[in-house]
Amino acid sequence: DTGVSQDPRHKITKRGQNVTFRCDPISEHNRLYWYRQTLGQGPEFLTYFQNEAQLEKSRLLSDRFSAERPKGSFSTLEIQRTEQGDSAMYLCASSTRDRRNTEAFFGQGTRLTVV
Amino acid sequence: QQPVQSPQAVILREGEDAVINCSSSKALYSVHWYRQKHGEAPVFLMILLKGGEQKGHDKISASFNEKKQQSSLYLTASQLSYSGTYFCGTEIDSGGSNYKLTFGKGTLLTVNP
Repeated sequence: DTGVSQDPRHKITKRGQNVTFRCDPISEHNRLYWYRQTLGQGPEFLTYFQNEAQLEKSRLLSDRFSAERPKGSFSTLEIQRTEQGDSAMYLCASSTRDRRNTEAFFGQGTRLTVV
Repeated sequence: QQPVQSPQAVILREGEDAVINCSSSKALYSVHWYRQKHGEAPVFLMILLKGGEQKGHDKISASFNEKKQQSSLYLTASQLSYSGTYFCGTEIDSGGSNYKLTFGKGTLLTVNP
């Protein structure tokens, strides 16, 4: 499968624990995005990378959230000291540099449940 | 800056047409349309760039009115497979692309036999 891959698909964690998610984008895509989606809402932008550089981070994100893309390939999203409000679907997407003919491909997401 | 989608939900019988609208209060560089089925990832449908273009494939098409900062998605002769939640994602015109999409709350489309 050559699409965007996310791992794990589901994560249940206790409040206060740290969690880390991984995203493997389509290999030739240099842009990678993280979104969060809650029930009945559209995806909400969290952060985005161009190659290994993190170019923007949502002001809605607290300091408990951090993302990396160390070699411009896969990316990780870490949430420290999880809270119940962090429960959501975390989506990763990737796209190419071509602005006129690009599309963002989404992965299947990681569903986080904080209990 | 979140775009506003309308209607929130629509129910069709197979073969009927539907229009989903997306509007923004900001000048837009592009509009992206996605469809998401329950429990699945959003799937890209099409992108429209400023310049007022219209696109389509099969029986799904879209337009982008740059002056009004509005986009519409047209589904004609709907099929059962069209059921899902449709999202528009908008990219603000900041003198070019800023690569960040802001999504609307979605329109739930249900197509019945």
